Amino acid sequence: EVRLVESGGGLVQPGGSLRLSCAASGFTFSSYWMNWVRQAPGKGLEWVANINQDGSEIYYVDSVNGRFTISRDNAKNSVYLQLSSLTAEDTAVYYCARGSDTAMPGEWGQGTLVTVSS
Amino acid sequence: QSVLTQPPSASGTPGQRVTISCSGSSSNIGRNFVYWYQQLPGTAPKLLIFRIDQRPSGVPDRFSGSKSGTSASLAISGLRSEDEADYYCAAWDDSLSGAVFGGGTQLTVL
Repeated sequence: EVRLVESGGGLVQPGGSLRLSCAASGFTFSSYWMNWVRQAPGKGLEWVANINQDGSEIYYVDSVNGRFTISRDNAKNSVYLQLSSLTAEDTAVYYCARGSDTAMPGEWGQGTLVTVSS
Repeated sequence: QSVLTQPPSASGTPGQRVTISCSGSSSNIGRNFVYWYQQLPGTAPKLLIFRIDQRPSGVPDRFSGSKSGTSASLAISGLRSEDEADYYCAAWDDSLSGAVFGGGTQLTVL
């Protein structure tokens, strides 16, 4: 069974930083693209970033490019999202999602809430 | 403003067939696969359709996807109360070099 467990969310002040983690199990982690997708309270889904199997290809949505960094550790079956220079607009539930047949999200975790507020 | 355009709401009665549209452009739906996700209230999204019209195992064949040009559609036949959820379309956008989602359609089963 595919299992994705996000952690690291919480309350952070504007301008602050946070590191999200996603622990994967139940599949061969190193064979899949991994994504981060976020959902602001009461809003729709917004794709944030993804990374290919060996970390050599990385893409970001424009609104986070230069502030967020996605990375992965295949030895630890984990993907990470480093968030910095946070603003209130980054407040959202952040979901980790395994690539499906392509880089697009397939299986999803339960999400971790990031709240940016003073 | 989402790159992919969906109607904000849709509704139907049990047993009916409903269709949700998703409009994009040549850089996303026009040249790439379309994906559909179902998000039940208070839960994480779930992949419903991949590669335009393929269903993951466990997804009932009441759900079907199609694409024509730069638009796509999700059809739900034999509507059931448990289908009440938010539905999102998505595709890779070659111009943006990223995935894009529709704004979501809230489906109500009357």
